[in-house]
Amino acid sequence: QVTLKESGPVLVKPTETLTLTCTVSGFSLSNARMGVSWIRQPPGKALEWLAHIFSNDEKSYSTSLKSRLTISKDTSKSQVVLTMTNMDPVDTATYYCARIPSAVSGYYMDVWGKGTTVTVSS
Amino acid sequence: SYELTQPLSVSVALGQTARITCGGNNIGSKNVHWYQQKPGQAPVLVIYRDSNRPSGIPERFSGSNSGNTATLTISRAQAGDEADYYCQVWDSSTAGVFGGGTKLTVL
Repeated sequence: QVTLKESGPVLVKPTETLTLTCTVSGFSLSNARMGVSWIRQPPGKALEWLAHIFSNDEKSYSTSLKSRLTISKDTSKSQVVLTMTNMDPVDTATYYCARIPSAVSGYYMDVWGKGTTVTVSS
Repeated sequence: SYELTQPLSVSVALGQTARITCGGNNIGSKNVHWYQQKPGQAPVLVIYRDSNRPSGIPERFSGSNSGNTATLTISRAQAGDEADYYCQVWDSSTAGVFGGGTKLTVL
């Protein structure tokens, strides 16, 4: 059974750096055909794609947030980490990680974690 | 940047057919994916690559994509289909893109 679980702080202060961890099971981050995406959703708003990473370390970032995001993976720990710098109250959202089951162009996410809610407030 | 446009809401009578559209410039040349999200839950993939259903998704869910519009069709709508639906594509310049979401109401 494929599962993904997000973890990280519930509350961060403005200007701080957010670090989120996605721990996966049921598949390997070394699988050449799979990847992991991060997506967020502010309260009452739409989904927003943030970044993804594949086993060959290919990475891609949201063009609007690229300067603030870093995605990495630790295959031995089955974890994907997303950092976002200079947090602002508008970054308050539920953050999801999800599996990309195929490296063929036209990426989609077939299994999602339950999400972790992050509030940015002083 | 590439943008996807969805209607804010769609209503359908119980047992009838709902159609949710996703507009984008020449979207027919891209692979479109659809997600269902119920309140307080994570999204669930219901259609991938225009018209493919993941295992466990009812045959009532289908998709099409041509020209500037992709469509998610839900036949014989049930109360349990009430949810927000999002389309998504991958664009070479914009990367991952989601539509603004459509709230489906089953009357």
